Amino acid sequence: GDSVTQMEGPVTLSEEACLTINCTYTATGYPSLFWYVQYPGEGLQLLLKATKADDKGSNKGFEATYRKETTSFHLEKGSVQVSDSAVYFCALSPGANSKLTFGKGITLSVRP
Amino acid sequence: KAGVTQTPRYLIKTRGQQVTLSCSPISGHRSVSWYQQTPGQGLQFLFEYFSETQRNKGNFPGRFSGRQFSNSRSEMNVSTLELGDSALYLCASTLGAAEETQYFGPGTRLLVL
Repeated sequence: GDSVTQMEGPVTLSEEACLTINCTYTATGYPSLFWYVQYPGEGLQLLLKATKADDKGSNKGFEATYRKETTSFHLEKGSVQVSDSAVYFCALSPGANSKLTFGKGITLSVRP
Repeated sequence: KAGVTQTPRYLIKTRGQQVTLSCSPISGHRSVSWYQQTPGQGLQFLFEYFSETQRNKGNFPGRFSGRQFSNSRSEMNVSTLELGDSALYLCASTLGAAEETQYFGPGTRLLVL
């Protein structure tokens, strides 16, 4: 079945440091890929998405590129802020009308 | 446009009771999905409704059920609550048949004592 693997956490960075959160997936066909973010006490917010190979999703300085050859969708940001502290989830959907399969999530803490 | 709303936000129940959670999707969205989030199991899919019909179901016991109304609002019910049902229950809405991006509500945090 479909699965998503995220790097182990938590991750602690200083403000303005570079961020990379690894995400790899296993799926048949051509799934769509997503990054969601969860701030303390809140639900999930869509951060970015990509629907086909080589697509790059971007939002709020975050980027991720759909790499079919390595089945990866790593999240990157050049300069993190304290306000980026949250839990980040990678997810896939095999197609419309389908459930999301999530990774375990990783907690990011950014120090001033 | 208002986002997905869920009520109540917090709930405390005792073992053996039942509970009903409510979700109102984004205006115009016709599909509603439910997920359970726990520290141990992470995010797990419960079920999905479209036009009042359940289209997909996750691997949960029959104590978990749901329905969708003609205005796309959805409810989920958990009967005979167990301690392990303590979780954050998230609802997500999707525009419709060919759209796959799901937008989540703030969740209902259920504590079973």
